[in-house]
Amino acid sequence: DVKVTQSSRYLVKRTGEKVFLECVQDMDHENMFWYRQDPGLGLRLIYFSYDVKMKEKGDIPEGYSVSREKKERFSLILESASTNQTSMYLCASSGTGHSYEQYFGPGTRLTVT
Amino acid sequence: GENVEQHPSTLSVQEGDSAVIKCTYSDSASNYFPWYKQELGKRPQLIIDIRSNVGEKKDQRIAVTLNKTAKHFSLHITETQPEDSAVYFCAATFTGGGNKLTFGTGTQLKVEL
Repeated sequence: DVKVTQSSRYLVKRTGEKVFLECVQDMDHENMFWYRQDPGLGLRLIYFSYDVKMKEKGDIPEGYSVSREKKERFSLILESASTNQTSMYLCASSGTGHSYEQYFGPGTRLTVT
Repeated sequence: GENVEQHPSTLSVQEGDSAVIKCTYSDSASNYFPWYKQELGKRPQLIIDIRSNVGEKKDQRIAVTLNKTAKHFSLHITETQPEDSAVYFCAATFTGGGNKLTFGTGTQLKVEL
């Protein structure tokens, strides 16, 4: 049973703070993804990673960076949080080859004030 | 560019009726089309998927159809029940995107008693 966990369910930060969101998966998946979810906009891809130390920009990478030092862990970093980054953040992982199914974490509701 | 359009954004049906959600995609070479269900406060979970070499797939009360010529696919839920109330997302893979999925904007389905 795939398990994807995220470090926090709710987070409140101030404008300008550096924010770290952590995601861990226990299924030895190569692929990991960070999305943000906003009403009416669906799931938008921020960054993804196919392997350790490898990262690629998604559709909305501005204002974000990522780190993948270990296979099981994928971190999303907001260098200087802004109010327009208030959102639900979802992490996901998937296997290689034709294993396209993505397994999602529970999400982190981030509020930037 | 990569694009998945989903309609309708909201759908209300009476219990026992059928529900249909439609998606169109832009890349004729897309080969994998999953549907995710997200209940209130929970993570998205895969409910059914279809690959480009198949025209229809069923799993109990849910089915997905794919029309490659028209580049659209649909989710069909028959004999709807209150527990079907959720947000449904379609998605597709795109050429050169590897295991990356592009999601539609979601459909809020409400099954009324």
